[in-house]
Amino acid sequence: DAGVTQSPTHLIKTRGQQVTLRCSPKSGHDTVSWYQQALGQGPQFIFQYYEEEERQRGNFPDRFSGHQFPNYSSELNVNALLLGDSALYLCASSLGTSGWENIQYFGAGTRLSVL
Amino acid sequence: GIQVEQSPPDLILQEGANSTLRCNFSDSVNNLQWFHQNPWGQLINLFYIPSGTKQNGRLSATTVATERYSLLYISSSQTTDSGVYFCAVERTAGNKLTFGGGTRVLVKP
Repeated sequence: DAGVTQSPTHLIKTRGQQVTLRCSPKSGHDTVSWYQQALGQGPQFIFQYYEEEERQRGNFPDRFSGHQFPNYSSELNVNALLLGDSALYLCASSLGTSGWENIQYFGAGTRLSVL
Repeated sequence: GIQVEQSPPDLILQEGANSTLRCNFSDSVNNLQWFHQNPWGQLINLFYIPSGTKQNGRLSATTVATERYSLLYISSSQTTDSGVYFCAVERTAGNKLTFGGGTRVLVKP
């Protein structure tokens, strides 16, 4: 049973560029959440996708956007990269959006460096 | 939004020692998870425990929802227990997990 998979594992970009990160959820899960983790801090919620729609969003600018596909996989897009976007980006999947259905399982993350 | 505070921020243990990590939260929750983040960044699920007590091997957790705190106990610590432990909560009728700042644990041989 494959867990949550993310690609790529590492990425180096320059300021102003755009990046797309990808996530495949754990088998049987239909809900995907994205988090940003800066060095030395806890993960910060970006947004959650369920039934191909963004269900909730954290305090992130519109430069951060996402998509969920019919097979439940998801993409995170970041436009006009800033140095401060350098972080570990984590994807999590769950059976649903609340309570015990929202028990989240995390992928290994994509480490993004913006130069 | 809901506030989540973890203590202590750092913990150094000798192998074989026991320890208690604490998570305080500011509102009622319907999801509370404990995670261990290993040195490679992988977040590993330890417990789903919005209330009550659970045990898994050398680890156990207790959440007192009415008093808005959770405790994670590590017994007979091993060097592989090193890493960062995070508590994350979902406010009742919410969706997102809000993480605490973590407790960084170093177990020395």
